[in-house]
Amino acid sequence: EPEVTQTPSHQVTQMGQEVILRCVPISNHLYFYWYRQILGQKVEFLVSFYNNEISEKSEIFDDQFSVERPDGSNFTLKIRSTKLEDSAMYFCASSRTQGIETQYFGPGTRLLVL
Amino acid sequence: DAKTTQPTSMDCAEGRAANLPCNHSTISGNEYVYWYRQIHSQGPQYIIHGLKNNETNEMASLIITEDRKSSTLILPHATLRDTAVYYCIVRQSSNTGKLIFGQGTTLQVKP
Repeated sequence: EPEVTQTPSHQVTQMGQEVILRCVPISNHLYFYWYRQILGQKVEFLVSFYNNEISEKSEIFDDQFSVERPDGSNFTLKIRSTKLEDSAMYFCASSRTQGIETQYFGPGTRLLVL
Repeated sequence: DAKTTQPTSMDCAEGRAANLPCNHSTISGNEYVYWYRQIHSQGPQYIIHGLKNNETNEMASLIITEDRKSSTLILPHATLRDTAVYYCIVRQSSNTGKLIFGQGTTLQVKP
């Protein structure tokens, strides 16, 4: 069964450093998403992406964040200058279309900012 | 998207059916009920969804009341591996795609 994969599984970085989180969505999916979950809190939507453009973003997704689909398979989330409060699990998801189409999630990247 | 209300936590004996309720009294006609679960900080896992008819798949059954104001997710024979946080999410068919997660119900399956 096709799966969403994410790398790395864990990332430790110093405050102020740039990090890139990588995702490989399911191959025939066209819509991609990033969510995050701070320890002990709810899963929160960050951004959705379709046709090489951001479809929607939340208030959390400020200028420090960017997303890109650099090639036909990868989907990345970049945090330009990490803050302590960026420490969280980051989940990538994909779906064939938008709307009520089911989203499938990857296993997540645990980011720790020191 | 309509708001949902779920109990904070529930227990279930292994091998018994787990019935997880969800209230969505403000649901509108074009909104679907989705269930996801999250096992110990793993990525959320899709379980099932429905509009107004009851649905069943290999993982679970979804029972939606006739007025659609509430629903119940049924895991017919819960195992220890079903211990997770279960999220009931209501989504519009015209939704841009984002899922809005609440706190969910923490289901503890006990031996």
